[in-house]
Amino acid sequence: GEDVEQSLFLSVREGDSSVINCTYTDSSSTYLYWYKQEPGAGLQLLTYIFSNMDMKQDQRLTVLLNKKDKHLSLRIADTQTGDSAIYFCAEAANKLIFGTGTRLQVFP
Amino acid sequence: DAGVIQSPRHEVTEMGQEVTLRCKPISGHNSLFWYRQTMMRGLELLIYFNNNVPIDDSGMPEDRFSAKMPNASFSTLKIQPSEPRDSAVYFCASSFEQGRTEAFFGQGTRLTVV
Repeated sequence: GEDVEQSLFLSVREGDSSVINCTYTDSSSTYLYWYKQEPGAGLQLLTYIFSNMDMKQDQRLTVLLNKKDKHLSLRIADTQTGDSAIYFCAEAANKLIFGTGTRLQVFP
Repeated sequence: DAGVIQSPRHEVTEMGQEVTLRCKPISGHNSLFWYRQTMMRGLELLIYFNNNVPIDDSGMPEDRFSAKMPNASFSTLKIQPSEPRDSAVYFCASSFEQGRTEAFFGQGTRLTVV
């Protein structure tokens, strides 16, 4: 199947780290993406990782990829209230398939 | 470039009416995607085009849905006749090379069928 799965909700305190997890299905996916959606807006790319990498760091964001388990995670360090949004992982082989989205809520 | 442009931003229509959603992709992009987002089903890929040719329409829910891309700068998604369960936010996205580069999303069209 083409199900990309994520947990639906995550709640963290401001300043803590957030970890959002994703499992994908297509082992031929060459790129894996994390997108962010703020209320009333479209999706914006946060970061991506090539399938031949196992980690990528970009400022407060760290992406970990476990190809064997088809598991992708996004860690946001020092989470801020402005990080509250829905986060989608996506796999790309021939087409871009999105996960269910994880709603991140950051409380003070 | 102004990004992916969708119109209208909001559409309210009565059940049974025809609805046409429009999308202008980013100039130079050769892949275009139509997605539907609902609370229940999340973000679903409906159809995607590569070089104006429909590649995969397996996500189109029913024959009431149709999509066209007459040229590289314009695509439409049509629902005829519309039903209340079609109410959702419809997103168009484009990318330079399908699956290999970032997809840029429009702001979406919020469709309400009453």
